[in-house]
Amino acid sequence: GDSVTQMEGPVTLSEEAFLTINCTYTATGYPSLFWYVQYPGEGLQLLLKATKADDKGSNKGFEATYRKETTSFHLEKGSVQVSDSAVYFCALTDYKLSFGAGTTVTVRA
Amino acid sequence: DAGVIQSPRHEVTEMGQEVTLRCKPISGHDYLFWYRQTMMRGLELLIYFNNNVPIDDSGMPEDRFSAKMPNASFSTLKIQPSEPRDSAVYFCASSRQGETGELFFGEGSRLTVL
Repeated sequence: GDSVTQMEGPVTLSEEAFLTINCTYTATGYPSLFWYVQYPGEGLQLLLKATKADDKGSNKGFEATYRKETTSFHLEKGSVQVSDSAVYFCALTDYKLSFGAGTTVTVRA
Repeated sequence: DAGVIQSPRHEVTEMGQEVTLRCKPISGHDYLFWYRQTMMRGLELLIYFNNNVPIDDSGMPEDRFSAKMPNASFSTLKIQPSEPRDSAVYFCASSRQGETGELFFGEGSRLTVL
């Protein structure tokens, strides 16, 4: 079935560093792709999405581009803050949402 | 607007006891999902409903687990009898028709079975 694979963590960065979290997908059709974020002690929140090839989703300084040729949807942020410390999940949907394993990101001041 | 509301936030119980987790979805949302999150298995979809009807319960681990949605504003997930391996955070989420993938999650119910 359709699935996503994301880079394993944990990832530890200093404030203002560049963040990339890799995500690749396997799908028979043309799924929509998502990034969710989970802050400590909270439920998941939708961070951004892309519904078709070459779409770029963006929110809170994060970006990800739907790349059909490489079946990827990598998450990037140019300058992270301590408040970005969280677990990030890549996900795709055909008729139901499938999540990756999650990547824990810790940003140090 | 109120988000997805789950109760209890924390539950500690002993093996063999019945556990009931509750969820109130966002008003107007047609889909309701129950997920379980553990360190070992990550986030697992247990069951989801559309317009109060269970659509896919293939993720329910075994017969000890059951879920109901008697109306559009309430759902329960019941574990009877509970076992230590059921310890996890259980999330409820809801979404609108046609917006599959855009889920709104509750804050979760952390279950510890001793």
